[in-house]
Amino acid sequence: QVLLQQSGPGLVRPSQTLSLTCAISGDSVSSSSTAWNWLRLSPSRGLEWLGRTYYTSRWNNDFAVSVRSRVTINPDTSKNQFSLRLNSVTPEDTAVYYCARGRMSTGLDYWGRGTLVTVSS
Amino acid sequence: QSALTQPPSASGSPGQSVTISCTGTSSDVGGYNSVSWYQQHPGKAPKLMISEVTKRPSGVPDRFSGSKSGNTASLTVSGLQAEDEADYYCSSYAGNNILVFGGGTKLTVL
Repeated sequence: QVLLQQSGPGLVRPSQTLSLTCAISGDSVSSSSTAWNWLRLSPSRGLEWLGRTYYTSRWNNDFAVSVRSRVTINPDTSKNQFSLRLNSVTPEDTAVYYCARGRMSTGLDYWGRGTLVTVSS
Repeated sequence: QSALTQPPSASGSPGQSVTISCTGTSSDVGGYNSVSWYQQHPGKAPKLMISEVTKRPSGVPDRFSGSKSGNTASLTVSGLQAEDEADYYCSSYAGNNILVFGGGTKLTVL
C-alpha cells in the first residue's frame, strides 16, 4: 500500500514562497516506473496539474505552463520524499494542494490527503 | 478556464444511468488514449476511477465505464447509488509532457 504524507504551512504571505513536502511510503521516489506529481484544487481554477519529477537514467521535471516560471519540484532520495516550491505567490495561489503518484498515460493512482494553503497578509 | 470542457452538473435517480462528457481537442483527448477520470467526495482526495479511456483500476465497481469518440471522452455511471454523488474530473495527456484537466462535474443523485 502506497501512502503519501503531506506537510507544510497552511498560510503564506503574498510575494513569499509556498513550500510543501510529500513523504512516500510503500514506493520509492527513485522508481523508474512512475512519476511524482503536484496538483491543486481551487474554486476558480478547478483541479490543476502543476508539475512532476521522475527518474529514468537521470532526474526529470515537467511543469504546467501557468506556473513554469515560479515552480520547483525536487526529489529527496535520502528521505524518500519530494517537494514543491512556488515562489512569488499571490492570493490566486490559494488552493488545496495535493501530491500524487502516477504517469500521465495511466492516471494518478495514489494521492496525498491535501493541504489547504491560504495566501494572505 | 480549464483546458477540457465538462458540464458543471449532472444528475440522476438511484438505479438510473448518467453520462458525463469531457471535450477537448485533437491535441489532447482526441490525440491520445490517455484520458482518466477521478471521483472526489467533499474533503477527500481525488480517486482514480478510469484510466486510459476505458480501464477500471482494481476495486472500482463495474458500474463505472469510460469511452471516447473523437475529441470527446465520456464517463458513464450505471445503476446510480447514493455514494456516487461527488465531483468528477477528467484529465488527458496533452503532448509535450503536459497533463490537463476538465473543470469538474458535480453529480447529484436525486
